[in-house]
Amino acid sequence: GQNIDQPTEMTATEGAIVQINCTYQTSGFNGLFWYQQHAGEAPTFLSYNVLDGLEEKGRFSSFLSRSKGYSYLLLKELQMKDSASYLCAARYGQNFVFGPGTRLSVLP
Amino acid sequence: GAGVSQSPRYKVAKRGQDVALRCDPISGHVSLFWYQQALGQGPEFLTYFQNEAQLDKSGLPSDRFFAERPEGSVSTLKIQRTQQEDSAVYLCASSFLGRSASYNEQFFGPGTRLTVL
Repeated sequence: GQNIDQPTEMTATEGAIVQINCTYQTSGFNGLFWYQQHAGEAPTFLSYNVLDGLEEKGRFSSFLSRSKGYSYLLLKELQMKDSASYLCAARYGQNFVFGPGTRLSVLP
Repeated sequence: GAGVSQSPRYKVAKRGQDVALRCDPISGHVSLFWYQQALGQGPEFLTYFQNEAQLDKSGLPSDRFFAERPEGSVSTLKIQRTQQEDSAVYLCASSFLGRSASYNEQFFGPGTRLTVL
């Protein structure tokens, strides 16, 4: 299978920066998505990386290293509303494999 | 509506009952995916439709699970003789292009939380 690994839980303080890491198997890989999911709600798209490097979108950035099978999601200027689960999903051919998600708690 | 909708939002079933979960994708979206999400876990793929054709059902856990999308829009996931291990959130997602497209963002519905007693 294609194991996707993420930390289970993270805690950070309002206004801080947090980095959520994701590792995946590189064989057959052809793209990586990050989704945000608030409790009881639908996952919503945050970012997509297919080439190495950093993609920046406002307070959120996502990085990919294809050779290392590694990605991270960087959240800056954390707000209370950023408390959610963050899902890393890797694409293999036509299949999408989700990680277990990282539950982020933002504290005042 | 503008997004993907699912109904019912919550379903409680007694073990052995059949259930039907509905997904209304975004109008015009070619692809439709069903996922199962256990508590505290990421979504796990169940099945994929391109228009009305079910092209991949490799993730369906047993022959008690059946999905259809007869007119290429609304889809129904049916679970027969429900078991306690079927308790999960069932998510539907749609995307504009076929899943072989190089970039294909999936839009998720809010899910149906199924509890089997």
